[in-house]
Amino acid sequence: LAKTTQPISMDSYEGQEVNITCSHNNIATNDYITWYQQFPSQGPRFIIQGYKTKVTNEVASLFIPADRKSSTLSLPRVSLSDTAVYYCLVGEGGATNKLIFGTGTLLAVQP
Amino acid sequence: SQTIHQWPATLVQPVGSPLSLECTVEGTSNPNLYWYRQAAGRGLQLLFYSVGIGQISSEVPQNLSASRPQDRQFILSSKKLLLSDSGFYLCAWSLSAGRGGPVFGPGTRLTVT
Repeated sequence: LAKTTQPISMDSYEGQEVNITCSHNNIATNDYITWYQQFPSQGPRFIIQGYKTKVTNEVASLFIPADRKSSTLSLPRVSLSDTAVYYCLVGEGGATNKLIFGTGTLLAVQP
Repeated sequence: SQTIHQWPATLVQPVGSPLSLECTVEGTSNPNLYWYRQAAGRGLQLLFYSVGIGQISSEVPQNLSASRPQDRQFILSSKKLLLSDSGFYLCAWSLSAGRGGPVFGPGTRLTVT
């Protein structure tokens, strides 16, 4: 079972870069790593996905080391609107159609 | 493009009443489908997932059940609701686990009174 572990919460200020790390020691060979953002009373929204090394899109970067046992979501220059819960998701290796989320990280951005 | 629908958006039901929540996906075929529940202030709990019509896997023993009568339709049901069934219910779809990640619907806020 590819479980994920994230910090429960993080604080930041507007304009700073925020890095949220997720541990997934039992990641399977075919699993991808996907990060989501969730605001209250809304469904999680896809941010970025990767398999190895580095992936970058218009909103974030994802860093994955060679052993793939962790990943880091990097949010450049956060704003107040980035206050949300961020989830790391890894495909479950044993029965590959399960998708089990970790506890998530509550990011609080202050002015 | 693919679209996922859930209804109703909000629901208030008394304890012991039945429940039926529906989810449909447009623009794709043979998706994997998922039901998640999120209690207030908590994370996402996987309830059921389905890889095809009539194929349902349950993750958590409870008084809920799921059915997939058509390829792009996923239904969450209960014969008798409990207070503990209150929460935010999210349907999601994906092409395959481990790639593409699930795409979530707007959710249904269920309050059991």
